[in-house]
Amino acid sequence: AQKVTQAQTEISVVEKEDVTLDCVYETRDTTYYLFWYKQPPSGELVFLIRRNSFDEQNEISGRYSWNFQKSTSSFNFTITASQVVDSAVYFCALSVRTIQGAQKLVFGQGTRLTINP
Amino acid sequence: ETGVTQTPRHLVMGMTNKKSLKCEQHLGHNAMYWYKQSAKKPLELMFVYNFKEQTENNSVPSRFSPECPNSSHLFLHLHTLQPEDSALYLCASSHAGLAGGNNEQFFGPGTRLTVL
Repeated sequence: AQKVTQAQTEISVVEKEDVTLDCVYETRDTTYYLFWYKQPPSGELVFLIRRNSFDEQNEISGRYSWNFQKSTSSFNFTITASQVVDSAVYFCALSVRTIQGAQKLVFGQGTRLTINP
Repeated sequence: ETGVTQTPRHLVMGMTNKKSLKCEQHLGHNAMYWYKQSAKKPLELMFVYNFKEQTENNSVPSRFSPECPNSSHLFLHLHTLQPEDSALYLCASSHAGLAGGNNEQFFGPGTRLTVL
């Protein structure tokens, strides 16, 4: 079975601090994809990053960075020099392809991040 | 309009009412999805449509009835709902096909549903 665990329910930090959001996944598939989404108070999920199971290279995009470690089944997300606008709920998700070719996302419980000024 | 739109944004209904949620995508995608997000559970996939054909029904009660008349539109028909069905209902779309597993889903803003 596929499962995603985000153990941190809520995190609160002061602006400019660095913060890491943890994600651990379970799957028996050899090919899979991992995603991070951001859900601001408006409710819409915003895509942040996609990573496939064959690419363990870490990625950096501005203040965001992602650390994918297949050995520990983790795909952690770090925000450097956090800002108030980063406050949101962040979801990690695992993609499974259905027989018909559509994509099925399994989400973690989400981590509510609050950046205080 | 761009992206994925959903109407209405907010809906209050009684348990005996019948209502429908609408989703429209302007991204040229061929797969569409309904998710339920409630306060105490993670995002739950409800239905998947691939090229207008339903390919996934995640054990959803029959009081939720999806409809996908074409690749751009998706509906969720609601009838005789229960108060525990109150939640945020999110629609998403993506490219599908043989390489479907790696395509990110684009989400709409959701419909906040309250069942009295």
